[in-house]
Amino acid sequence: AQSVAQPEDQVNVAEGNPLTVKCTYSVSGNPYLFWYVQYPNRGLQFLLKYITGDNLVKGSYGFEAEFNKSQTSFHLKKPSALVSDSALYFCAVREGGSSASKIIFGSGTRLSIRP
Amino acid sequence: GAVVSQHPSRVICKSGTSVKIECRSLDFQATTMFWYRQFPKQSLMLMATSNEGSKATYEQGVEKDKFLINHASLTLSTLTVTSAHPEDSSFYICSARGTANEQFFGPGTRLTVL
Repeated sequence: AQSVAQPEDQVNVAEGNPLTVKCTYSVSGNPYLFWYVQYPNRGLQFLLKYITGDNLVKGSYGFEAEFNKSQTSFHLKKPSALVSDSALYFCAVREGGSSASKIIFGSGTRLSIRP
Repeated sequence: GAVVSQHPSRVICKSGTSVKIECRSLDFQATTMFWYRQFPKQSLMLMATSNEGSKATYEQGVEKDKFLINHASLTLSTLTVTSAHPEDSSFYICSARGTANEQFFGPGTRLTVL
């Protein structure tokens, strides 16, 4: 069975500093990995995904994530945080190669950027 | 990117009534649709997966007779919460996957049961 873990409930960063939101995954086949962001009372917004290719994936709003197969991780990063980045972030995984596979979400990490 | 809509965005109902939530893929055909629910400050939990023209597959612990899912066409899936109770109050999010295997999420429906 596939699973995804976000070990931090909350991450606090000062504006302008780099940020990292951690994610590790478990899947039996090749992983499809995703990051989504959710603002209060809103749906999910897609940030980026890894399917295949370069391990460093660049996404929306200056975010990027690095796929590390040996550590089964897909940490989200941004070089310089903005106050507007404050939101709830979800890592998700899907088993690749199967059209029937489903996306499973991590527990979420609340990112708080202080001015 | 592709757009998935949900209607209504918010609904308030009395305990014991039924509520229907629609999920539409607006510019692509969704061979598979997924329904998630999200409690306050929690993650999205997959409730069921539905393929067009066939019965939905429910996740463990989800009552299929309470959460009726219909996927009658390639662009529409509905979730009906029957005999709603206050504990059914939640944020319901649908997701649609097309033939290209991309998956898109709707904006969510907030259900409040009084």
